[in-house]
Amino acid sequence: KQEVTQIPAALSVPEGENLVLNCSFTDSAIYNLQWFRQDPGKGLTSLLLIQSSQREQTSGRLNASLDKSSGRSTLYIAASQPGDSATYLCAGYSGAGSYQLTFGKGTKLSVIP
Amino acid sequence: GAVVSQHPSWVICKSGTSVKIECRSLDFQATTMFWYRQFPKQSLMLMATSNEGSKATYEQGVEKDKFLINHASLTLSTLTVTSAHPEDSSFYICSASNVMNTEAFFGQGTRLTVV
Repeated sequence: KQEVTQIPAALSVPEGENLVLNCSFTDSAIYNLQWFRQDPGKGLTSLLLIQSSQREQTSGRLNASLDKSSGRSTLYIAASQPGDSATYLCAGYSGAGSYQLTFGKGTKLSVIP
Repeated sequence: GAVVSQHPSWVICKSGTSVKIECRSLDFQATTMFWYRQFPKQSLMLMATSNEGSKATYEQGVEKDKFLINHASLTLSTLTVTSAHPEDSSFYICSASNVMNTEAFFGQGTRLTVV
């Protein structure tokens, strides 16, 4: 059974700093991997989807990478801003054509002005 | 991307009553939808897979008689929490997709509080 772990559980950084969030998974047969943002009491906002054949995706200040062989994904946030404060979740798809996700517990990010 | 709408966004109910949550795919048809639950400071855990026209598949530890799922059409799945108790208070969120997409799309979530 796929397990997804996110480290650290919480992170506090000063505004402007670059940072990396880590995600690891136990089953290298993971298909796609997706990063989400969740604000307190809110739903999920999709940030980046890395498809099975891809190694990374970029959107604005965000860059996510996927290394299946090592069972790891990272989310890089450049020039962090207070508005980036939220919980970031990574989730893995179980297989081709499956839309069932296994989520990590998330990293709670606080960007201090 | 495709749109999934979930209603209500929040609900407060008395212990012992039932609550129905709707999940709709607005611009696509979904033969399969998923229901997740998130307790405070925990991650989202899959509760069940909702299959159009057939019975839902429940994850281990999820009571099928308590969490009734109906997927009567290709655009609507409902989750009914029966005889709700305070421990059922949680954030419930659904997702849906189809073969035309490469990712799952999530509803806005429903915050259920049982008093």
